[in-house]
Amino acid sequence: NAGVTQTPKFQVLKTGQSMTLQCAQDMNHNSMYWYRQDPGMGLRLIYYSASEGTTDKGEVPNGYNVSRLNKREFSLRLESAAPSQTSVYFCASSEFGGRNQETQYFGPGTRLLVL
Amino acid sequence: DAKTTQPTSMDCAEGRAANLPCNHSTISGNEYVYWYRQIHSQGPQYIIHGLKNNETNEMASLIITEDRKSSTLILPHATLRDTAVYYCIVRVPRNKLVFGAGTILRVKS
Repeated sequence: NAGVTQTPKFQVLKTGQSMTLQCAQDMNHNSMYWYRQDPGMGLRLIYYSASEGTTDKGEVPNGYNVSRLNKREFSLRLESAAPSQTSVYFCASSEFGGRNQETQYFGPGTRLLVL
Repeated sequence: DAKTTQPTSMDCAEGRAANLPCNHSTISGNEYVYWYRQIHSQGPQYIIHGLKNNETNEMASLIITEDRKSSTLILPHATLRDTAVYYCIVRVPRNKLVFGAGTILRVKS
């Protein structure tokens, strides 16, 4: 199992350009998440998808859109990139397990620089 | 979800136990304590979680006080590869994970 994979690993954009970050998981999880992490800070939730066909806003959704393409894939789109969106983006997935617990598994991250 | 308080940083000698404390005095009865860590430049990694009983797995042990207002993550034999930021998170399952600043653990040889 590859777990959670993200593409690309690195990206440089100019202000105003658009791009889509891709995320896929092979653990048959229902829920998927997008976070961003700015230097020296904790992760902040951008959007999440509790199940296929549903998406919800997190803490910092402005400037982003998401698509839950199918159970495996959850993409994050920046329509018009801004320097404030320079960050490391992490995708995660989870499945509601037994014992009323839930563990999130994270991908390796996408490092985005907006000039 | 309840707020947590962790020390900013800690040092530990290689091979010794690393004990990372977390205060969560406002925890409610249905909230779990989760620990994640983030090694430099990587995605966060789940370590362990618990409700009220002490828990142990292949990575670590979690000790929760009887009143549940604090907990300690124990790495029994820390190695250099355990150098990371450790996050203590209190939440109701299915609620969003909220990452604070965490504790920077430096394991030194």
